Amino acid sequence: SAVISQKPSRDICQRGTSLTIQCQVDSQVTMMFWYRQQPGQSLTLIATANQGSEATYESGFVIDKFPISRPNLTFSTLTVSNMSPEDSSIYLCSVQGLAGSNEQFFGPGTRLTVL
Amino acid sequence: KNQVEQSPQSLIILEGKNCTLQCNYTVSPFSNLRWYKQDTGRGPVSLTIMTFSENTKSNGRYTATLDADTKQSSLHITASQLSDSASYICVVSAQNAGNMLTFGGGTRLMVKP
Repeated sequence: SAVISQKPSRDICQRGTSLTIQCQVDSQVTMMFWYRQQPGQSLTLIATANQGSEATYESGFVIDKFPISRPNLTFSTLTVSNMSPEDSSIYLCSVQGLAGSNEQFFGPGTRLTVL
Repeated sequence: KNQVEQSPQSLIILEGKNCTLQCNYTVSPFSNLRWYKQDTGRGPVSLTIMTFSENTKSNGRYTATLDADTKQSSLHITASQLSDSASYICVVSAQNAGNMLTFGGGTRLMVKP
C-alpha cells in the first residue's frame, strides 16, 4: 500500500479566506483524486488531479473555487477558495495505480471548519 | 443512474457478537466492489475488493460476499471488537467509466462493551 500524508490535518478558517491542502505520496502513482466528505455524508469526488495539465472536475465543482495542482507523480494540492461555512468538510486525497494496481488508497483527510 | 445503497444506516452491537452489513447497487457494467472501513476523523481503509468472478473474500474477521446476479454484497464481521466501531462504506466501480467510483452512504457501526 501507499503512504499518503496530508497537510494540514485540520484547520479553522475565517469566511472569505483560502486554504491550500497538500497531499504527498511516498511512491509514484498514476492517478490522484480529491474528495469531499461533508458531515455525516459519504465521499463526493471533486476532481481528478492530472500531472502537468488542468484537473478534471466533476459536475458541481469548478476550478475557480477548487484550484488543483499536480506538478509531479507524488504530490498534489487542493485550494478551497473564498471559503464559506458550507465548505466545512473533510477533504481527502486518494491515489490509484501504485505498482500497476487498480486499488485506490485514501489519505488521512483534512478537517476544515469555516467560521 | 449508478447508485449504491447500504443498510442499515447505523447499527449498535455488543462486543463479541457478529453482524452483517448490506450493500445493493445498480452500477453497470460492473467492474469491482470494495468495502472500506473509515474510523472517525480518518481516511477510508480498504478491507476487500471483489471482481465479477469472486463471490466471497475474507480479511481476518471480515468476510465479504458478492452476488453479481442480484447486485448485492454483504460484509460479515465475526466476533466484533470495540475497535470495529467505524463507518463501513461500500464502493462500486463501473467498467469503461475511467476511475469513477460510486460510494454508498455507509453504515455506522458501534460496538459496545
